[in-house]
Amino acid sequence: DVKVTQSSRYLVKRTGEKVFLECVQDMDHENMFWYRQDPGLGLRLIYFSYDVKMKEKGDIPEGYSVSREKKERFSLILESASTNQTSMYLCASSFSNEQFFGPGTRLTVL
Amino acid sequence: AQSVSQHNHHVILSEAASLELGCNYSYGGTVNLFWYVQYPGQHLQLLLKYFSGDPLVKGIKGFEAEFIKSKFSFNLRKPSVQWSDTAEYFCAVVDSNYQLIWGAGTKLIIKP
Repeated sequence: DVKVTQSSRYLVKRTGEKVFLECVQDMDHENMFWYRQDPGLGLRLIYFSYDVKMKEKGDIPEGYSVSREKKERFSLILESASTNQTSMYLCASSFSNEQFFGPGTRLTVL
Repeated sequence: AQSVSQHNHHVILSEAASLELGCNYSYGGTVNLFWYVQYPGQHLQLLLKYFSGDPLVKGIKGFEAEFIKSKFSFNLRKPSVQWSDTAEYFCAVVDSNYQLIWGAGTKLIIKP
């Protein structure tokens, strides 16, 4: 079974803090994704990566950056967290268009 | 831009009722279609998918979906729901840029 893990299930940070969300997959997938999930808005793509060191902006990249130094690891970075970044963050990796998701990180920014 | 529309944000049913969740997409080319489910406190998981072939697709837990090209639809169905089907259901389509476009989700509540 594909396993996608995320470093934290719950995270509470203060406005202005730098936040790192880590995601690791164990199936050698080339594509990895970061989404945020908000009620009534579904999943919105923040960034994705199709290879090591390659990244592409999704629909809502503002306020976020990403890092893909190794194939299995895709990190989402909030340079200066703001309250409107309080959300559920989902990481996924994909093979043949089918995406496999991690358990999510619920981030609260105070 | 391509879009996916799920008609209902909330659906409440009694156990044993039949279920149909609507999904329409705007992309006119060759499509890959998905339904994902998120049970309370759990991560998103694939329910079923359509890439090609038989437009009636069977998934896990008794769910099925029918791809109707002329209607740009991929509705999810289950003949008799159970309390354990309480979850949020997401429809998604792969667009021309090979990105998944997601619907807003439908929260399904099954009354015991």
